[in-house]
Formats: sequence, C-alpha cells, structure tokens
Amino acid sequence: GAGVSQSPRYKVTKRGQDVALRCDPISGHVSLYWYRQALGQGPEFLTYFNYEAQQDKSGLPNDRFSAERPEGSISTLTIQRTEQRDSAMYRCASSSGGTEVPQYFGPGTRLTVT
Amino acid sequence: GQNIDQPTEMTATEGAIVQINCTYQTSGFNGLFWYQQHAGEAPTFLSYNVLDGLEEKGRFSSFLSRSKGYSYLLLKELQMKDSASYLCAVRGGGTNAGKSTFGDGTTLTVKP
Repeated sequence: GAGVSQSPRYKVTKRGQDVALRCDPISGHVSLYWYRQALGQGPEFLTYFNYEAQQDKSGLPNDRFSAERPEGSISTLTIQRTEQRDSAMYRCASSSGGTEVPQYFGPGTRLTVT
Repeated sequence: GQNIDQPTEMTATEGAIVQINCTYQTSGFNGLFWYQQHAGEAPTFLSYNVLDGLEEKGRFSSFLSRSKGYSYLLLKELQMKDSASYLCAVRGGGTNAGKSTFGDGTTLTVKP
C-alpha cells in the first residue's frame, strides 16, 4: 500500500505569511507525529496525535505553530506569521499505535522563508 | 529531559564490520529504535530493543543495556549502499510514552 505522503514537497514563502503543511498517513495508522529536521541533525519532535486527539504538543516552538487531525486521518501543521528561523524540513510519521511499533516517515516538506 | 549521544561520523571498509554506539539519558524508557537515513531521504526503520540483549536481523544487529543507558548497532559485511546516517531514537515513559527523542545521527561512510 501507499506510504506516508506530504504536500507540498517544497514551499517558499515570504516572512510574515501563514503556511499549512499537509500529511496523509498510512491507511489505518492510529498515531501521527510531526517532526522538524535541520540539516545534519536528527528529527526534533513537535507534536503527535492518537486518532484525532492531540496527545502531546510540548515540542511546538511557540504559539505560531499549531496542528490538527480532525477526522483521525490527514493532519495539517500550520505556521502563522512565518519567520526565517522556521526554514527547515518538516517531516510527518505514522505508526499503527503502541510503544513497540516503528514510525514510518514521509518524504518531508522543505520550507524556506525568505 | 532526554539526551542522546552518538558519534558524528564513522568510516569503514566494504566487507568489514562496524559498531555504532548510542548512549542515552531519558525520563522513563519504552524502547530504543535505530533508523537509517540516506542523504535527502526519509528515515527508515531498522531495529527495536526494549529488553536487554541482542536483536539480530540479517546483516544488522542491535544491542541494549538499560542499566547502562547504552545501545549499539552492528553492521556486518558492509556494502557501499550502507553509507548513510544512522539515527538512535528513544521512546520515553509515562507522559512521554508517545514521544521519541532522536540523536543527531552517525554518518557512516563505506569505502571500497
């Protein structure tokens, strides 16, 4: 079956604009995670959902960042009033639930704020 | 908090064996994962350990010592395609149970 998909793959936006990044997880996967990954570093946790419930948002850098998963499937990460420091690769991952199962990562969205 | 340490870079020869170490300090523990990430691509799952000991999967093995906060990934019969970054990730416990903390990865270069 299809893997995790993310759109857009690349996004260039001007400072101060809002952006919405979309993640479509593997069908049937209960858990969905958002990460940010800088070049040469590991993924940095932002937030995660079980079904439609946001379980942990402790990694969101500030209140300009928000995420939702209203129907327990597709998720959107929104960044308001973007700043240059928001430029990064944003990755989504999903899993079938449970602590022992691996996460499957999407290809990421490369966000550049000019 | 969570802290994970891995060497930044390693180099090895095709056909050889290499061991990539990972040490961690976390709030609670619900397992340790290893992922492989080729340049420009997404991380892909390699192995999972939750109990002490060695897990073997083909050319790849992973070891865990919970008392020492230590794991290693062993790659045997290295191939050129094994050149990649190897990420150690720890899943926390309690309120952190759903959250995985990743190390910054070890970039392995396999030379002919």
